[in-house]
Amino acid sequence: SQTIHQWPATLVQPVGSPLSLECTVEGTSNPNLYWYRQAAGRGLQLLFYSVGIGQISSEVPQNLSASRPQDRQFILSSKKLLLSDSGFYLCAWSDRGQGRSPLHFGNGTRLTVT
Amino acid sequence: AQKITQTQPGMFVQEKEAVTLDCTYDTSDQSYGLFWYKQPSSGEMIFLIYQGSYDEQNATEGRYSLNFQKARKSANLVISASQLGDSAMYFCAMRVNTGFQKLVFGTGTRLLVSP
Repeated sequence: SQTIHQWPATLVQPVGSPLSLECTVEGTSNPNLYWYRQAAGRGLQLLFYSVGIGQISSEVPQNLSASRPQDRQFILSSKKLLLSDSGFYLCAWSDRGQGRSPLHFGNGTRLTVT
Repeated sequence: AQKITQTQPGMFVQEKEAVTLDCTYDTSDQSYGLFWYKQPSSGEMIFLIYQGSYDEQNATEGRYSLNFQKARKSANLVISASQLGDSAMYFCAMRVNTGFQKLVFGTGTRLLVSP
């Protein structure tokens, strides 16, 4: 069966420090991969998505970047964190081209920028 | 632009009763999909149920059913026989047709089930 791993679960970082969040998927090939952010008490906002290795699309301009070095690995990064980067970050995967296929989410990373 | 609206920030229900969580959507696409997710306090997003725009029958998954009214653009989630473990945030989401599975989420409804 397919599983998605996301780490770390919680992170406290000072303003101006770098960030690296990692997500890996097991049990499937060629998945679509996604990074979402959830601000406190809000819905989910799509940050990045990827349909293949090295193929990254950004939904909103921001201080963050994403990379997909391997088929089932998705990394969210920042060179210098801002206070506004605080939030709950969720990685997700879905099957390719399957309209009925839901997004499957990881357990999330709670990031606090101080 | 595609948009999901959940007008109930919080809902209360007693154990064993049924509850309806509202969701309305806005899209000009003819083909779309609607999803409901549950988010417990631990944070993970749990997929509950899916309804396609061309599905002739309302979707059901165990105690979850979706009251899909296409003309009114609503896709309400009905939870029957509520349990204490149903206490969580519930999000309605719509698949946007961009060639991949992009979901647009509503702001969610917090459900509290009391004994």
